[in-house]
Amino acid sequence: EIVMTQSPATLSLSPGESATLSCRASQNVNSHLAWYQQRPGQAPRLLIYVASARATGIPARFSGSGSGTEFTLSISSLQSEDFAVYYCQQYNDWPLTFGGGTKVEIK
Amino acid sequence: QEQLVESGGGVVQPGRSLRLSCAASGFSFVAHGMHWVRQAPGKGLEWVAGVPSDGTNRYYADSVQGRFTISRDNSANTLYLEMISLRPEDTGVYYCAKGLSPGSWWFFDVWGRGILVSVSS
Repeated sequence: EIVMTQSPATLSLSPGESATLSCRASQNVNSHLAWYQQRPGQAPRLLIYVASARATGIPARFSGSGSGTEFTLSISSLQSEDFAVYYCQQYNDWPLTFGGGTKVEIK
Repeated sequence: QEQLVESGGGVVQPGRSLRLSCAASGFSFVAHGMHWVRQAPGKGLEWVAGVPSDGTNRYYADSVQGRFTISRDNSANTLYLEMISLRPEDTGVYYCAKGLSPGSWWFFDVWGRGILVSVSS
């Protein structure tokens, strides 16, 4: 199966700062990558698919990039509601797999 | 409003069985692939199983292959997960999730609130 590795595990930032989250695939997944946000006690929410397309209703401060094995989720000017855990997921091959997550916490 | 509501969770002994249900509303259930995703306490997300809109092929994580069966009843707008030979490591919150579109169903744009399954003696 394709192993997804996210880094860093935790990112400590202040509101208004920018965040850069990384996701690496153990083999080529083309652009078949999605990002999700999960706030405490809530279900995950789709942010990005096809590596860079924002899902419906997602603010423009969220952007995705990359292809192949290296991907990035960028969040410009962090808002209070953005402090959460973020997961990447590949859908290039079965079984579908998620990364271990990056927690963005308030510094 | 698109909505998914899971039911059927609870506490079960190792080796026993359980069936989860997911009632869908607010969208054309018959047109979308559906999935189950789980999350162990304090851990990350793990995809469990997926079924396309027509229910023909079914896909499973290696960890549940042979023990879990995903199915759907398009006439009842309901997704199921039949789980047998449950293990303590199957403990977690199980989410029902909808594929984004008929042609792109491998990632999930609508999630249920989740249902807790606890496997313990």
